[in-house]
Amino acid sequence: DAKTTQPPSMDCAEGRAANLPCNHSTISGNEYVYWYRQIHSQGPQYIIHGLKNNETNEMASLIITEDRKSSTLILPHATLRDTAVYYCIVRVDPGGFKTIFGAGTRLFVKA
Amino acid sequence: NAGVTQTPKFQVLKTGQSMTLQCAQDMNHNSMYWYRQDPGMGLRLIYYSASEGTTDKGEVPNGYNVSRLNKREFSLRLESAAPSQTSVYFCATGGAYLAKNIQYFGAGTRLSVL
Repeated sequence: DAKTTQPPSMDCAEGRAANLPCNHSTISGNEYVYWYRQIHSQGPQYIIHGLKNNETNEMASLIITEDRKSSTLILPHATLRDTAVYYCIVRVDPGGFKTIFGAGTRLFVKA
Repeated sequence: NAGVTQTPKFQVLKTGQSMTLQCAQDMNHNSMYWYRQDPGMGLRLIYYSASEGTTDKGEVPNGYNVSRLNKREFSLRLESAAPSQTSVYFCATGGAYLAKNIQYFGAGTRLSVL
């Protein structure tokens, strides 16, 4: 089962890029990497996902290394509202239903 | 378009009482999930339903039962509540497509068991 490792917390200055790393060294070839975030006590919110190629959407960019053993979520211009816990997830069963969230990275965006 | 609706939002129980947490979705998704989140921790999967008529255990199923009533509704039942079940419970939905099973979450039910 692929699992992920993230730093427990990170700081970022408002307006700067926030780069959140994730290690998933045991990922298999057909497993996607997903990123979610949880603001305060709300339900988690999907951000982005990818398989091999780098991905970008209106919220963030996802950079996946060529060997797929790690990835980085990039928030290009962090705002105070981006303060949240960010979860990097790899599906753990072939059916794609079981999900392990882990503890995530608590990002503090400071003015 | 409400997305994923959970009821109730808050609940206080005494040890040994039973209750059912309700979840309804209007996203026409096949799969539904129940998670719990203890203070300062990540989410843990309790049960999931890949499609109407099926349910499967997740990471922490003990002390819970679920019912997938129809495509829209997925309920979580605590038969005899214990203080260890004090937590925030989240319901989520997702499509069945393997590689793009993106999940959408409700606002949560905050449960205290005294």
